[in-house]
Amino acid sequence: DVVMTQSPLSLPVTLGQPASISCRSSQSLVHRDGNTYLNWFQQRPGQSPRRLIYKVSNRDSGVPDRFSGSGSGTDFTLTINRVEAEDVGVYYCMQGTHGPGTFGQGTKVEIK
Amino acid sequence: QVQLQESGPGLVKPSETLSLSCAVSGYSITNNYYYWGWVRQTPGKGLEWMGSIHGSGSTFYNPSLTSRLTILRDTSRNQFSLELSSVTAADTAIYFCVRDSSNWEIDYWGQGTLVTVSS
Repeated sequence: DVVMTQSPLSLPVTLGQPASISCRSSQSLVHRDGNTYLNWFQQRPGQSPRRLIYKVSNRDSGVPDRFSGSGSGTDFTLTINRVEAEDVGVYYCMQGTHGPGTFGQGTKVEIK
Repeated sequence: QVQLQESGPGLVKPSETLSLSCAVSGYSITNNYYYWGWVRQTPGKGLEWMGSIHGSGSTFYNPSLTSRLTILRDTSRNQFSLELSSVTAADTAIYFCVRDSSNWEIDYWGQGTLVTVSS
C-alpha cells in the first residue's frame, strides 16, 4: 500500500496567520490516466471528515478560498491563507491513485 | 442533497460478526457512477478504507480485510451494509459510510457510528 506521511502532526497557529501542512507519498501519485488523485479532508472536533480539495488543487463547493492545495508527484501541500477559529481540527491527505486508497496520519491544527 | 446514515449495534462480542447498515437518501445507490463504501477510524491506525460496492453491484475490498469483510446492498431500500466477521478488540472503531467516485474521491460521509468489541 502507498504510505502517506504528513508533517507536522501538530500545528499551533495564530489567528489570521497562514498555515501549511505537508503530505508525502511513498510513490508517485500520477495515475496512468494523467490525473493525480490526492484529496484533503478536514475533520472538526466531533464531526465526520469533510473533503476540502480533490485532485491536488480543486476546491470543493462551499470551501472558503483561503484553503488551497498544491504539489505534484510525491509532495503535496495544503495551505490555509489566514487561519480562522473554525479551522481548528485534524486535516488528512488521502491518495486514490493506487488501490487501496490510503490516508495520512493527520495533522492537528489548533489556535495558539 | 445526498445523506448517509449508519445504524447498527454499538457493542459486539469478540469472535462474532459486526453488522452495520447505511441508509442513503438523495441519490440512488444503483447509479453506475458512484461507489458506496466504508471507512473506519481508530486512535491507533487512523482512517482506513475498508471496501465499497459499485452501483453495478461489484464489490471491492481492502486486501487487509478481504477474508473477513462482506459488503451487500438492498436496492429496494436504497441502503448498503457491512459484515465483518471474527472481530477482535482491534476492530473497535468509528465506522463511517461514504460515497466516492472512482479513485477514492470520497465526497460524502455519514456521521459515523462507534462500535466497541468487548465481552
